[in-house]
Amino acid sequence: DIQMTQSPASLSASLGETVTIECLASEDIYSNLAWYQQKPGKSPQLLIYDASSLQDGVPSRFSGSESGTQYSLEINSLQSEDAATYFCQQHHDYPDTFGAGTKLELK
Amino acid sequence: EVQLQQSGPEVGRPGSSVKISCKASGYTFTDYVMNWVKQSPGQGLEWIGWIDPEYGSTDYAEKFKKKATLTADTSSNTAYIQLSSLTSEDTATYFCARGQLGGYFDYWGQGVMVTVSS
Repeated sequence: DIQMTQSPASLSASLGETVTIECLASEDIYSNLAWYQQKPGKSPQLLIYDASSLQDGVPSRFSGSESGTQYSLEINSLQSEDAATYFCQQHHDYPDTFGAGTKLELK
Repeated sequence: EVQLQQSGPEVGRPGSSVKISCKASGYTFTDYVMNWVKQSPGQGLEWIGWIDPEYGSTDYAEKFKKKATLTADTSSNTAYIQLSSLTSEDTATYFCARGQLGGYFDYWGQGVMVTVSS
């Protein structure tokens, strides 16, 4: 199975700041990576697919990028509603695998 | 509007089975596969498998092949997951999620909490 190593496990940031969350794939996943946001008691919501494509309705302050097997989610101009846990998912090869998650707290 | 409405919370005895439903609306049910994902308390996400409602074909993650059975009823646009031989390790929230052709999940159900308790 492809391993997805996500970092950091948690971070704290202030309103208006920019944060970056990363996922390292154990092998080449050819940009087949998605990012999800999950708030407590809710289901995950798709933010980014194919590494850098923004899902319809998602604010443009969310962006995705890649460098080799390293994938990044950047959130600009943090808003209070961005407090959540973020997961990456590789959808290149079965079984789909997810990162362990990053809990983002707003100061 | 695409919606995936899942059934209510379940409590199962060790060794028993539970069956959860996921009713789809707002799109053509047979045009997309339905995935199932497990989230253990305070933990991350595990992909269980998918079903193609049009053909009934399925694929499972290895660790769930003897645990989960996926089915779909095209007459009611509903997908199901049955979990058998329940143990405490099956206590979790189970999500259905529509699968896009590229493999990512664009819509999710609200999740069903399954508690295994004697």
